[in-house]
Amino acid sequence: NAGVMQNPRHLVRRRGQEARLRCSPMKGHSHVYWYRQLPEEGLKFMVYLQKENIIDESGMPKERFSAEFPKEGPSILRIQQVVRGDSAAYFCASSPTGGRNTEAFFGQGTRLTVV
Amino acid sequence: GEDVEQSLFLSVREGDSSVINCTYTDSSSTYLYWYKQEPGAGLQLLTYIFSNMDMKQDQRLTVLLNKKDKHLSLRIADTQTGDSAIYFCAERANDYKLSFGAGTTVTVRA
Repeated sequence: NAGVMQNPRHLVRRRGQEARLRCSPMKGHSHVYWYRQLPEEGLKFMVYLQKENIIDESGMPKERFSAEFPKEGPSILRIQQVVRGDSAAYFCASSPTGGRNTEAFFGQGTRLTVV
Repeated sequence: GEDVEQSLFLSVREGDSSVINCTYTDSSSTYLYWYKQEPGAGLQLLTYIFSNMDMKQDQRLTVLLNKKDKHLSLRIADTQTGDSAIYFCAERANDYKLSFGAGTTVTVRA
């Protein structure tokens, strides 16, 4: 059973381009979480999705950022018109269910650099 | 609030004990966690403690929780070079959201 797979591992985009980050949860996991880690900071919650539904997007910037978790395929975090401040590591985690007793498993992250 | 704070760096000699400290603000936290991040890797859950406990031991790891002071610590006994990594303290703010500290970089020297 492979772990949480994120790709690409590293992504370089010029200002104004779009960035698409992919996350394939562990097999059997239908809950996905995205976190962002800015340099020298801890991970900050962005969004929580279940299959085809956004449950909580309170940590997502209101503009340019969107996330989806379709019925088939990976979860996608999409950043439009990237700016330098979007440079960060983006981590995805998945769990089989929600709730306090559920452990979330993290992927290796995608390191986005905006030049 | 959901602020979690921890010191940024710790240097320790191989074979000594490491102690990483963390403070948090959310008194309603029910679970507190320690994650390890090695270079280029994702976060690995090391251990966690439920808020009604004050200590948990797991092989070389000992977690101490002082709920009154909202202080959490992780002690690594007989620290090895493979323990060099960034260690994150995290609290579960609600059913699914984790709040992380900035991470403590532990460097083990020979």
